[in-house]
Amino acid sequence: DVKVTQSSRYLVKRTGEKVFLECVQDMDHENMFWYRQDPGLGLRLIYFSYDVKMKEKGDIPEGYSVSREKKERFSLILESASTNQTSMYLCASRGELGNSPLHFGNGTRLTVT
Amino acid sequence: DQQVKQNSPSLSVQEGRISILNCDYTNSMFDYFLWYKKYPAEGPTFLISISSIKDKNEDGRFTVFLNKSAKHLSLHIVPSQPGDSAVYFCAATPKGGTASKLTFGTGTRLQVTL
Repeated sequence: DVKVTQSSRYLVKRTGEKVFLECVQDMDHENMFWYRQDPGLGLRLIYFSYDVKMKEKGDIPEGYSVSREKKERFSLILESASTNQTSMYLCASRGELGNSPLHFGNGTRLTVT
Repeated sequence: DQQVKQNSPSLSVQEGRISILNCDYTNSMFDYFLWYKKYPAEGPTFLISISSIKDKNEDGRFTVFLNKSAKHLSLHIVPSQPGDSAVYFCAATPKGGTASKLTFGTGTRLQVTL
């Protein structure tokens, strides 16, 4: 089974702090993704990466950056956290084969005060 | 602009009955559709998918129907069980797209009552 692990289940940060969310997958997947889930808005794609050191903006990249230095690890960075970034953050990975589905981690609930 | 819509935020069904979750889409380029299930404090898990060349796909208690002319798909769960209580997201991707192009709906919370 694919395992996608997010380092923190819950985080509380202050406005203006730099925040790192870490994600590791164990299936040698090329593609990794960061989504946020908000009530009434579903899952929205922030950034994704299709290879080491490669990244693409998703639908809502503003206020975020990402890093992929190793194939198994994909980090989401909030340069200066704001209260409107309080959300559930979900990391996912996917292989290259056809329409293979996304495999999600359990999420990080981030609260920015 | 919400290209994938789940107009029912919640649904309550008795155990043993059929649950029908609906999803509408507006983008005619969408070619492949998926349903994900999410329990609280867990990530979504893939449930079932359907390609636009089919109008039905079945996997055990779960069946997805696709009506391309109406741009509508539905997920049927028969019989519903208490463990099916979760939030269900439909998602769509265009032909030749990848998961980077996956567009999710807003979700429907299903509660299966005893």
